[in-house]
Amino acid sequence: NAGVTQTPKFQVLKTGQSMTLQCAQDMNHEYMSWYRQDPGMGLRLIHYSVGAGITDQGEVPNGYNVSRSTTEDFPLRLLSAAPSQTSVYFCASSYSDRGTNEQFFGPGTRLTVL
Amino acid sequence: LAKTTQPISMDSYEGQEVNITCSHNNIATNDYITWYQQFPSQGPRFIIQGYKTKVTNEVASLFIPADRKSSTLSLPRVSLSDTAVYYCLVVPRGGTALIFGKGTTLSVSS
Repeated sequence: NAGVTQTPKFQVLKTGQSMTLQCAQDMNHEYMSWYRQDPGMGLRLIHYSVGAGITDQGEVPNGYNVSRSTTEDFPLRLLSAAPSQTSVYFCASSYSDRGTNEQFFGPGTRLTVL
Repeated sequence: LAKTTQPISMDSYEGQEVNITCSHNNIATNDYITWYQQFPSQGPRFIIQGYKTKVTNEVASLFIPADRKSSTLSLPRVSLSDTAVYYCLVVPRGGTALIFGKGTTLSVSS
């Protein structure tokens, strides 16, 4: 299994540009989520999904959109990039109800907005 | 979700046992204590989860007193490769929305 994969690894955008961060998992996990991590900080939840066709907002959803058309993929869209969105973005997945809180994280996408 | 408090940083030497304590005074009955580890430039990795008393796996031990208002992650005989940030989280059983604080930065020296 490849686990959780994210592309790209690095990205530089100009203010106002849009882009999509890709996330895929091959573990048949129901739950997927996106976090951002700013320097010296913990991770903050952006959006999450409990299954295909179902998404919901996390702690910091503004400026981001998500969709979940398949179990495997959960892309994160930046609508109009702003310097405040410069961060490292992590995607995670897990079973939704197996009695464990273990989530599997991807390697991250480091985004810089100029 | 219950808030957690843990030391910002800790220093240790190779071969020592490291104990990181986490305070979670408002833990709910159905909450589990969960610890993650994060190396630089990597995503967090699940270490251990427990509800009460003691849990041990190949990586660490987790000690939880009867009142469950705190917990201690114990790393036996640390090595340089254990240098990382350790996060204590309190999450409902099977809960999926994780709330990360700033964690404890553990630095292991030779």
